[in-house]
Amino acid sequence: DTEVTQTPKHLVMGMTNKKSLKCEQHMGHRAMYWYKQKAKKPPELMFVYSYEKLSINESVPSRFSPECPNSSLLNLHLHALQPEDSALYLCASSQVLAGGPGNTGELFFGEGSRLTVL
Amino acid sequence: GESVGLHLPTLSVQEGDNSIINCAYSNSASDYFIWYKQESGKGPQFIIDIRSNMDKRQGQRVTVLLNKTVKHLSLQIAATQPGDSAVYFCAEGSYKLIFGSGTRLLVRP
Repeated sequence: DTEVTQTPKHLVMGMTNKKSLKCEQHMGHRAMYWYKQKAKKPPELMFVYSYEKLSINESVPSRFSPECPNSSLLNLHLHALQPEDSALYLCASSQVLAGGPGNTGELFFGEGSRLTVL
Repeated sequence: GESVGLHLPTLSVQEGDNSIINCAYSNSASDYFIWYKQESGKGPQFIIDIRSNMDKRQGQRVTVLLNKTVKHLSLQIAATQPGDSAVYFCAEGSYKLIFGSGTRLLVRP
């Protein structure tokens, strides 16, 4: 299994809603990532987990709350979002932290969750 | 009219020709560089990587060239096929992976 599975594929939420994005991989990867991608732009790093611990937070607003319940799962909890948060949210995983020994940055991406905030 | 920045740079090539996609990177301390391909409606897909101590690496139909002097990275695709049509992103990293701007490759039949 070489897939990263993201659910839901599409999500529409109001600014007062609370929702979650989910990501799952069964490749035994120990690093997982959240990226945000706006139309025609490159993916922007949000969070990195390494061995289930938050390793990098790219100064993301607190209305985005990541969670890594175990080595296979990564969640992104959403609360009080703004319309400008509408984007494609990509989850990725790698064997070990990108840039660490033995890894040059080969990330496996899911197909993303397209979020629309009304 | 449309604003600058809403358009991706586009490279249009004839099927069977070679393609060269260029990228300028910013961090001279980056240890590795990667090319990703993103098809419509999908997440990015790893193509090839190169460490900072190398200047060329070849894969199947693809070659990555790294010029650290001018901080330039290029991806060469040989015998471009319709299935190569996608947006291509370069990325650089040391302890985290940061994507650069993309280029749309259109392959004309």
